[in-house]
Amino acid sequence: DAGITQSPRYKITETGRQVTLMCHQTWSHSYMFWYRQDLGHGLRLIYYSAAADITDKGEVPDGYVVSRSKTENFPLTLESATRSQTSVYFCASSEDSLNTGELFFGEGSRLTVL
Amino acid sequence: DAKTTQPNSMESNEEEPVHLPCNHSTISGTDYIHWYRQLPSQGPEYVIHGLTSNVNNRMASLAIAEDRKSSTLILHRATLRDAAVYYCILRGGSEKLVFGKGTKLTVNP
Repeated sequence: DAGITQSPRYKITETGRQVTLMCHQTWSHSYMFWYRQDLGHGLRLIYYSAAADITDKGEVPDGYVVSRSKTENFPLTLESATRSQTSVYFCASSEDSLNTGELFFGEGSRLTVL
Repeated sequence: DAKTTQPNSMESNEEEPVHLPCNHSTISGTDYIHWYRQLPSQGPEYVIHGLTSNVNNRMASLAIAEDRKSSTLILHRATLRDAAVYYCILRGGSEKLVFGKGTKLTVNP
């Protein structure tokens, strides 16, 4: 199906484990983003990518790693999960125009770190 | 990055108009004003965007002040389905899009 999909939708893990959240979009959008959302903080940008093999840090990148080997995929990895990384994670993609392009968001991945 | 300021929450009655304000006093000449909303348990969705002139679409209207230092999202007749968090953001050619906390809109029946 066309669109932007995230997996898994729900994940429970333990402190210190590695977790990868997947994001896949079918529009061939150049730009992709990862946000986290916590109560009282709104949406905070973790990492973003302008194209395959081009990534950059957002507001809260510490503890996260991203890669973008293919345009359609933008996985987010927590190399050693901590309780503070319990959150809802949203992936988004955008049309080429940085000024007018609409962002399309996935449904979110709810991560709980015990 | 230019920032926006929005009230934390607003309340409205069903079928009445709603005006959601946003201040962006440090906006630059190339920044577009975008609005998104997030329904409960969903990802944000695009509402509207504009540069200088007022804009209308099927979801809402966007009124932009003449000096562009503020804007207002207008929902002409609020419904219960419009209860959401509304985000005002600026897009000026940077990929680093910062959302902030937005305004939580409550619609009373």
